Amino acid sequence: EVQLLESGGGLVQPGGSLRLSCAASGFTFSNYGMSWVRQAPGKGLEWVSGVTGNGGSTYYTDSVKGRFTISRDNSKNTLYLQMNSLRAEDTAVYYCAKLIPATGTAYWGQGTLVTVSS
Amino acid sequence: QPVLTQSSSASASLGSSVKLTCTLTSGHSSYIIAWHQQQPGKAPRYLMNLEGSGSYNKGSGVPDRFSGSRSGADRYLTISNLQSEDEADYYCETWDTNTRVFGGGTKLTVL
Repeated sequence: EVQLLESGGGLVQPGGSLRLSCAASGFTFSNYGMSWVRQAPGKGLEWVSGVTGNGGSTYYTDSVKGRFTISRDNSKNTLYLQMNSLRAEDTAVYYCAKLIPATGTAYWGQGTLVTVSS
Repeated sequence: QPVLTQSSSASASLGSSVKLTCTLTSGHSSYIIAWHQQQPGKAPRYLMNLEGSGSYNKGSGVPDRFSGSRSGADRYLTISNLQSEDEADYYCETWDTNTRVFGGGTKLTVL
């Protein structure tokens, strides 16, 4: 059974940093691309970042380029999102997601809440 | 980059059927999309992917009541025999080489 367990969310001041983690199990982690998707309070889903299975290619939505870094440790079956220079508009639940080619976002984690506020 | 357009809300009666629409931008009408369901207070759940041909593949455990279809740039999610637990937000998703896109979501109310 595929399981994705996010951690690392919390309250941080504007301009601060936070690192999210996503522990994956139930599948061969290195074989699959992964994504981070966020959802601001009362809003829809927004794709944030993606990474290929070997970590060789990374992708970001424009609003986080230069501030967020996605990475993965395939030896630990863990996905990361390093978030720097956080802004109030980054406040959201952040979901870790497993991608399947030609299928889309096939599995979702339960999410972790990031609140950026002074 | 593709854009997905969804109606903000829909409603239908318990036991009836409803058809939700997701429209791809011009030039992207052959793209594969995925449908996701998000019940109140829960994480999203993958329902199915829907190819440009109109064929669809559902996720594990998705009831037979859920089906997909297409017409041109429109992609549909049809839910038959509506149940109370179907009241949720429904999102479509597509992707390109370096990006993924979600529609704004449709809030389905079961009357």
